[in-house]
Amino acid sequence: NAGVTQTPKFQVLKTGQSMTLQCAQDMNHNSMYWYRQDPGMGLRLIYYSASEGTTDKGEVPNGYNVSRLNKREFSLRLESAAPSQTSVYFCASSEQGSTEQFFGPGTRLTVL
Amino acid sequence: AQTVTQSQPEMSVQEAETVTLSCTYDTSESDYYLFWYKQPPSRQMILVIRQEAYKQQNATENRFSVNFQKAAKSFSLKISDSQLGDAAMYFCAYRSAWGYDSNSGYALNFGKGTSLLVTP
Repeated sequence: NAGVTQTPKFQVLKTGQSMTLQCAQDMNHNSMYWYRQDPGMGLRLIYYSASEGTTDKGEVPNGYNVSRLNKREFSLRLESAAPSQTSVYFCASSEQGSTEQFFGPGTRLTVL
Repeated sequence: AQTVTQSQPEMSVQEAETVTLSCTYDTSESDYYLFWYKQPPSRQMILVIRQEAYKQQNATENRFSVNFQKAAKSFSLKISDSQLGDAAMYFCAYRSAWGYDSNSGYALNFGKGTSLLVTP
């Protein structure tokens, strides 16, 4: 099992460009999450999907959209990237109600 | 919303010594879960240890143990016999035990982290 995979691992964008971060899990989990990690800020929740077909905003959703394509995949889209979105992005998944979350390796995004 | 506070941005320990990382949290709930995650330079988030609030016994995992003080809302991590491979960022995290939260699903609330340096 690969667990949680994310692509790409690194990305550099110019202000105003768009891109989609991909996330997939092979553990048949219902719940998936997108977090961002900034220096000195810990991990903050951007969006989550409690189950296939549902998505909801987390703590810092502005500037992002998500799609739960199917049970395996949960993508994060930046429509018009801004320097404030420079961060490391983590995708995670868990079984509904389970206490353990499994994290992907992260994507380091730089917006110039 | 529950808040998690790690008051030590950086800590240092010598190899083979013991170090304690602090975490406090704020909640009005009686049942919840607390976690310590390790993030080495590879960025991978690794679950170190988990504590269920209704269990009075402190969790242990090999060299890692916690001191859970429910009344004080304190959850510290003790690393014994520190090794060079323990050098990492350590995050404390909270999750409600009452299931789905309308603001965050089953997501975790993280502290800001403590950077642990291990010296030879």
